[in-house]
Amino acid sequence: DAMVIQNPRYQVTQFGKPVTLSCSQTLNHNVMYWYQQKSSQAPKLLFHYYDKDFNNEADTPDNFQSRRPNTSFCFLDIRSPGLGDAAMYLCATTKNRDRGETQYFGPGTRLLVL
Amino acid sequence: AQTVTQSQPEMSVQEAETVTLSCTYDTSESDYYLFWYKQPPSRQMILVIRQEAYKQQNATENRFSVNFQKAAKSFSLKISDSQLGDAAMYFCAYLKDPLRGRRALTFGSGTRLQVQP
Repeated sequence: DAMVIQNPRYQVTQFGKPVTLSCSQTLNHNVMYWYQQKSSQAPKLLFHYYDKDFNNEADTPDNFQSRRPNTSFCFLDIRSPGLGDAAMYLCATTKNRDRGETQYFGPGTRLLVL
Repeated sequence: AQTVTQSQPEMSVQEAETVTLSCTYDTSESDYYLFWYKQPPSRQMILVIRQEAYKQQNATENRFSVNFQKAAKSFSLKISDSQLGDAAMYFCAYLKDPLRGRRALTFGSGTRLQVQP
């Protein structure tokens, strides 16, 4: 089945140690989103790619970066994780971004920072 | 800025009964999209139902239906014949017409639905 896959499902890192989260999709969608969801809160958009065009949210900390080497894969890099970055990170995709389309979500990666 | 309010942090319903989750939003736009997403425990978020604001007819998907009141800026979700598998966190979300600005979903804070057998 076509889907959005996130690896790993659980990630433990140390304070200040860089970490990379992975998202892949078999939907051939043009747009990929990264959300941060803290416990019992709504998801918060960090940034999105429209094809190779990177779109950062104004309040996303510089500590968060992203790469999209091809249509299928997108990575979230946290350069120096702090305790406040512990959260669920959700990847989502849409075919286009200009038609109010449904976003398809992956299962998320839960990040723990020690 | 757009805001989405879900005033019920938790709801409980008996299996086979009907429950309504409330959502209100604030916007000055006339064209936009509204969504209800379901997030089961430890599972991925999936779309329950989608509404286009220019359509007056309420969206329905099997046991799920919405009551969309554009003037009141209200978008409630009704779940009929509740099943144990409906237990989840439900998020209401708003999307401004993507052609007219920011293309990000604005989520409400969520309503955790418990289904009692």
